[in-house]
Amino acid sequence: NAGVTQTPKFQVLKTGQSMTLQCAQDMNHEYMSWYRQDPGMGLRLIHYSVGAGITDQGEVPNGYNVSRSTTEDFPLRLLSAAPSQTSVYFCASSQRQGPYNSPLHFGNGTRLTVT
Amino acid sequence: AQSVTQLDSHVSVSEGTPVLLRCNYSSSYSPSLFWYVQHPNKGLQLLLKYTSAATLVKGINGFEAEFKKSETSFHLTKPSAHMSDAAEYFCVVSTIKAAGNKLTFGGGTRVLVKP
Repeated sequence: NAGVTQTPKFQVLKTGQSMTLQCAQDMNHEYMSWYRQDPGMGLRLIHYSVGAGITDQGEVPNGYNVSRSTTEDFPLRLLSAAPSQTSVYFCASSQRQGPYNSPLHFGNGTRLTVT
Repeated sequence: AQSVTQLDSHVSVSEGTPVLLRCNYSSSYSPSLFWYVQHPNKGLQLLLKYTSAATLVKGINGFEAEFKKSETSFHLTKPSAHMSDAAEYFCVVSTIKAAGNKLTFGGGTRVLVKP
């Protein structure tokens, strides 16, 4: 059982480039989410999804897009990378009720640097 | 609205001595409270959660936390630290009213365990 798988582990982008961070889970979880982690700020929610075809914004959505065409996959797209998006990105999933009632399962993260 | 404050950004303890990680929260509704742990270069893992049942919550690896409504606190303790406890710990709050079951993370407490 792989859990939540994120790729790539590391990425360096130049300002203005675009890219997609991949996230897949094999636990049949309906709830999926993306967080960014910055020193001293904990994790902040970027976007989340409560099921295939349904997405919504978190607290820091600007500059990012998501889609959810299948239960398993929840890619995060950076449209035009900026140095302020240098961060560690985590994908997390939980059962249908969402993280209020069921624990979040995290991937191992993608470390992104934008120069 | 909800927020979390972790009162110490770093805690250093000797192996075999008690660990105390302090957390205060604010919430407009009855909260769910969580502690997550992050080991180096890994995703976060749930240690324990409080959801209005017993105020003393036991988690994995010998950790426990006590919910004190009058003090709006949810401090994490362990009687005897082990080298493997060296990690970053996050206190997290959510409420049933939070959009998308949004979790609000504290800034984290990094624990160093000295031999």
